Amino acid sequence: AQSVTQPDIHITVSEGASLELRCNYSYGATPYLFWYVQSPGQGLQLLLKYFSGDTLVQGIKGFEAEFKRSQSSFNLRKPSVHWSDAAEYFCAVGVGMEYGNKLVFGAGTILRVKS
Amino acid sequence: DTGVSQNPRHKITKRGQNVTFRCDPISEHNRLYWYRQTLGQGPEFLTYFQNEAQLEKSRLLSDRFSAERPKGSFSTLEIQRTEQGDSAMYLCATRYRGYYEQYFGPGTRLTVT
Repeated sequence: AQSVTQPDIHITVSEGASLELRCNYSYGATPYLFWYVQSPGQGLQLLLKYFSGDTLVQGIKGFEAEFKRSQSSFNLRKPSVHWSDAAEYFCAVGVGMEYGNKLVFGAGTILRVKS
Repeated sequence: DTGVSQNPRHKITKRGQNVTFRCDPISEHNRLYWYRQTLGQGPEFLTYFQNEAQLEKSRLLSDRFSAERPKGSFSTLEIQRTEQGDSAMYLCATRYRGYYEQYFGPGTRLTVT
């Protein structure tokens, strides 16, 4: 069955430091991968997506992610974190893209930024 | 603001009462999804519509839950005889034909007391 694992429940980084959030997926077909961010009490905002082509994808707010098929990973990175990046981040895989394309999410990683 | 709106934003109800939530999608987005998110978890798929047709329902969607999307526009999610375990954030997302990304609304936070 398809699943997404985000191994880190919480991560704390200093403002200005680099960030990497890990995501591993399990899906038998070609994965369609997404990263979303959620601020407290809010809905989810799409950061970036990967469907095919270049395995390094750029998103909004200076984020990027790299798809590694051999490792079944899609890690999110940012070279310099800002205090406003503090939020919860969710990795998701799209299932059944030829049909409904429901999303299967990981449990999320809460990012704290210290000044 | 993604353009997907949900009402109400918060709902407190007593166990056993019925509740209804509404989602208004981005115009021309023909696919609409409902997800449920409990504390400390990622969203879980409940059901989805293509236009007015409900094409898939999760096992999570017990017979107390019903969703509609009349005329392929807004959608409603109704929970009958609410239980404390129904307390969660209910998220709506929409998607445009030919594109794979989903755009989420702000959610409806349900608290069952």
